[in-house]
Amino acid sequence: EAQVTQNPRYLITVTGKKLTVTCSQNMNHEYMSWYRQDPGLGLRQIYYSMNVEVTDKGDVPEGYKVSRKEKRNFPLILESPSPNQTSLYFCASSGTGYLSGELFFGEGSRLTVL
Amino acid sequence: TQLLEQSPQFLSIQEGENLTVYCNSSSVFSSLQWYRQEPGEGPVLLVTVVTGGEVKKLKRLTFQFGDARKDSSLHITAAQPGDTGLYLCAGAHQDSWGKLQFGAGTQVVVTP
Repeated sequence: EAQVTQNPRYLITVTGKKLTVTCSQNMNHEYMSWYRQDPGLGLRQIYYSMNVEVTDKGDVPEGYKVSRKEKRNFPLILESPSPNQTSLYFCASSGTGYLSGELFFGEGSRLTVL
Repeated sequence: TQLLEQSPQFLSIQEGENLTVYCNSSSVFSSLQWYRQEPGEGPVLLVTVVTGGEVKKLKRLTFQFGDARKDSSLHITAAQPGDTGLYLCAGAHQDSWGKLQFGAGTQVVVTP
């Protein structure tokens, strides 16, 4: 089954404790992206990757890091989480034609930073 | 950052009624997509429009892309409870490859 898998789905952590949210897709997609979703603000792009070893900032990259060492995986790293990073996070991928093609989303990872 | 504004933010209607959701921007988009999101899930693509003036139909849903490619609308005819969800528009610009801008969404609730 074609899917984007995120882990963990739910996480409660404390300020400053490094964490990684993993994202894996099995569709051989070149394009992957991370979003955060907050009430009233919609989905805001954090980072995206056009292909392996190619990453770029989205609209809200501060406090986050990503890596794309292999095509299928695109982890989101919070080196020192803060309460304002409490949010619902989505990973997405797309095949060729990402400007007009379909974005496939994971089920989301709800993160709470205390 | 070019902004996509959706209106209304919230819409509650009875089954059988019609509704329209709007997505507006001051900038031109190369393409515009509509997604629907249900609680606990990621958004799912409904349609992509790429040509100014384009109209696409998906059963009871009609999507229109403005002539100037700055705005779009989603019209649902005879809404059903299964249409309940958060509707999101998303636009892509030719000069910002890889950056897809999302609107804040319109929460639609259809009651039996």
